[in-house]
Amino acid sequence: EDQVTQSPEALRLQEGESSSLNCSYTVSGLRGLFWYRQDPGKGPEFLFTLYSAGEEKEKERLKATLTKKESFLHITAPKPEDSATYLCAVQARGRSGGQNFVFGPGTRLSVLP
Amino acid sequence: EAGVVQSPRYKIIEKKQPVAFWCNPISGHNTLYWYLQNLGQGPELLIRYENEEAVDDSQLPKDRFSAERLKGVDSTLKIQPAELGDSAVYLCASSLGGRGPANTGELFFGEGSRLTVL
Repeated sequence: EDQVTQSPEALRLQEGESSSLNCSYTVSGLRGLFWYRQDPGKGPEFLFTLYSAGEEKEKERLKATLTKKESFLHITAPKPEDSATYLCAVQARGRSGGQNFVFGPGTRLSVLP
Repeated sequence: EAGVVQSPRYKIIEKKQPVAFWCNPISGHNTLYWYLQNLGQGPELLIRYENEEAVDDSQLPKDRFSAERLKGVDSTLKIQPAELGDSAVYLCASSLGGRGPANTGELFFGEGSRLTVL
């Protein structure tokens, strides 16, 4: 069974204090790993897709990396506006045409000014 | 271009009452998803449509939940009767679908419909 876990459950940082969020997964053939950001009362918003181990993607203060068993979302010098829940999801090959996604529980990030 | 539109945004009902949620996906998106999200959890798939066909409804509690996507565009998710444990956010998402290179797998979510069952 495909599974995604995320750690920590919650993270509180001071503005400018860099850190990393972890997403560990077990999947029968990874087709893609996705990171989403979710603000309170909103739907998740797409950030990155990673397809193979060693791949990295960057966007502003965020950088996502992928290994064969986990992905990291690195946040460099975060600002209060980066406060949100960050969700990780995996897309498995061959499961229902490869269009189904399994989401992790998310990491709730708070960046204090 | 308009994103995924859901309504209502909030709904409060008594248990055993029926409720319906509506979703209008992004124009041209063939794949439509209904997810359930409990507080502090990630979204869990209820049903996925490819055009008007429900291709994965294995997680949909069919004794009380039903969904339809007439003409392969808008979709409605219904609960009848609602139970206390159905209180959650119901998210609709759409994606391009298909097997071509344009399909990056990215999901576009609506803002969700928050249901409270009293």
